[in-house]
Amino acid sequence: GAGVSQTPSNKVTEKGKYVELRCDPISGHTALYWYRQSLGQGPEFLIYFQGTGAADDSGLPNDRFFAVRPEGSVSTLKIQRTERGDSAVYLCASSLGGRTPEQFFGPGTRLTVL
Amino acid sequence: TQLLEQSPQFLSIQEGENLTVYCNSSSVFSSLQWYRQEPGEGPVLLVTVVTGGEVKKLKRLTFQFGDARKDSSLHITAAQPGDTGLYLCGGMSGGSNYKLTFGKGTLLTVNP
Repeated sequence: GAGVSQTPSNKVTEKGKYVELRCDPISGHTALYWYRQSLGQGPEFLIYFQGTGAADDSGLPNDRFFAVRPEGSVSTLKIQRTERGDSAVYLCASSLGGRTPEQFFGPGTRLTVL
Repeated sequence: TQLLEQSPQFLSIQEGENLTVYCNSSSVFSSLQWYRQEPGEGPVLLVTVVTGGEVKKLKRLTFQFGDARKDSSLHITAAQPGDTGLYLCGGMSGGSNYKLTFGKGTLLTVNP
């Protein structure tokens, strides 16, 4: 079956602009996660959805970052007033949820803020 | 804050050699996952370990979870150029069954 898909694969924007990053999880996966990976680092947790609700958004760096998952499937990560420090690869993962720990990642969106 | 350290950070070897990479923490993990990531791609799940002392094998890769569930190792036998990539370990702890904390990874290069 299809894996996690993310669009766009690359996004270049200017400082101060607004961006939206999309994630389409594996069909049937109720849990969805966003991570951010900077150069030379491992992925860093941002937010976790179980169904439609954000169960844990403690990893979001500040209030410029927001994510939604209105129908419990596709999720959008939104970044307002982008800063150069937001440049990174944004990874989405999904899992069956519950006590199943395995998370499956998408290819990521590389965000560059000029 | 849980800190997960991986070593070595970089490893360059010749095809056919054996190698071991390590993942260590002061925290106890409820589960630990190993991933391999290639440039421009997302991490690909290799294995999940949940029981202290557990050993899992995936072809030429052997994964071990420490008895105290604070550390893990990945051993590759007869490495091949296709094994080249960033090996990441990610652990769940503190009662969380969803938040993965990752190390910085080991960047492995296998030269033909």
